[in-house]
Amino acid sequence: GAVVSQHPSRVICKSGTSVKIECRSLDFQATTMFWYRQFPKQSLMLMATSNEGSKATYEQGVEKDKFLINHASLTLSTLTVTSAHPEDSSFYICSASTDGNGYTFGSGTRLTVV
Amino acid sequence: KNEVEQSPQNLTAQEGEFITINCSYSVGISALHWLQQHPGGGIVSLFMLSSGKKKHGRLIATINIQEKHSSLHITASHPRDSAVYICAVNQFYFGTGTSLTVIP
Repeated sequence: GAVVSQHPSRVICKSGTSVKIECRSLDFQATTMFWYRQFPKQSLMLMATSNEGSKATYEQGVEKDKFLINHASLTLSTLTVTSAHPEDSSFYICSASTDGNGYTFGSGTRLTVV
Repeated sequence: KNEVEQSPQNLTAQEGEFITINCSYSVGISALHWLQQHPGGGIVSLFMLSSGKKKHGRLIATINIQEKHSSLHITASHPRDSAVYICAVNQFYFGTGTSLTVIP
């Protein structure tokens, strides 16, 4: 079946630095990728939707300059958390779809900003 | 009020029991998803539904568009089914999840 590889699974960074999270579709071409954030004991929150070759569409309240999303190819999307602060610590998850008929989730990245 | 409501929030079952998790939503729908999240955080998409019923192994998902309601059933539950089950509408609205624990 379809596999989405998300990397890294865990990252600890210092406040003020930037962190890049990668989401790769391994055996299919993902025309659309979604990025989510999950706070402890809460459900997922959609941050943005990205289509290959175009700018990401951000949900209300999500800072596009802070959470940079790039979807440069049909198999790779990246989320960069810029100038990270402790409040950015969270679980970030991507999902990918090729035709809107099925979605495959990555395994998630736990970001801790110290 | 949440656009997606799940019940119950927590569920403990004995191995072998039949389990039902419910999801009600208040928004227009193109597709409803049932997701499984294990303690490590990774998420697996179990079903995507827009009508009717789907079955995969011991899992069955149904949806009633008129009543805006979906159910996830697990037959012959097993401890490895222990996880959080999340209902999602249109990849945007998420329930807060049902934490299932199956006891051997």
